[in-house]
Amino acid sequence: DQQVKQNSPSLSVQEGRISILNCDYTNSMFDYFLWYKKYPAEGPTFLISISSIKDKNEDGRFTVFLNKSAKHLSLHIVPSQPGDSAVYFCAASEALYSGGGADGLTFGKGTHLIIQP
Amino acid sequence: NAGVTQTPKFQVLKTGQSMTLQCAQDMNHNSMYWYRQDPGMGLRLIYYSASEGTTDKGEVPNGYNVSRLNKREFSLRLESAAPSQTSVYFCASTPRGRDSPLHFGNGTRLTVT
Repeated sequence: DQQVKQNSPSLSVQEGRISILNCDYTNSMFDYFLWYKKYPAEGPTFLISISSIKDKNEDGRFTVFLNKSAKHLSLHIVPSQPGDSAVYFCAASEALYSGGGADGLTFGKGTHLIIQP
Repeated sequence: NAGVTQTPKFQVLKTGQSMTLQCAQDMNHNSMYWYRQDPGMGLRLIYYSASEGTTDKGEVPNGYNVSRLNKREFSLRLESAAPSQTSVYFCASTPRGRDSPLHFGNGTRLTVT
């Protein structure tokens, strides 16, 4: 059963507008969430993260919102730029519950964001 | 400024052949990981190594073995390749564990015919 779900395989947004990518999770033990960006033929690169003690984290054009009661997080990109066209992966871990154990992240299937000129 | 280096970039194997995927990181990270990415499946954890000298199974370990050769290097071995192992393989590392982001290599694209 998939614990991290990205229900939109693709999303098309006009340049300059806001892109909103969504992610839902089912495991209530998850307490650390990340977004990765992936270009073709490259590895994923870390974009932004949020721990469960916060509900918002901002880094330049990128903001992640966490709604723990709904088990939902979203990534907002404002304004969207052509270079933002990529696949975005949502990921989660049980960082605090595990005491910092190292058994990796659980990833969603990804959303392909296309920024149109 | 290499980060995580994976070799080879591409490989084609026949069913039953064996091979080792190599991974090295120069960031002095403690933890290293192997993931596979399949179309529509996201990234799935194969094996990980929390620290030098330890390895553990992830979500999809069957058909694979790993070796943490030293702090820098973590290899993934396919003893008898199967078409179901056709995938893109990513190695990653992190300084700590679950509470720090993973740094990924650029992947090895493996085709098993």
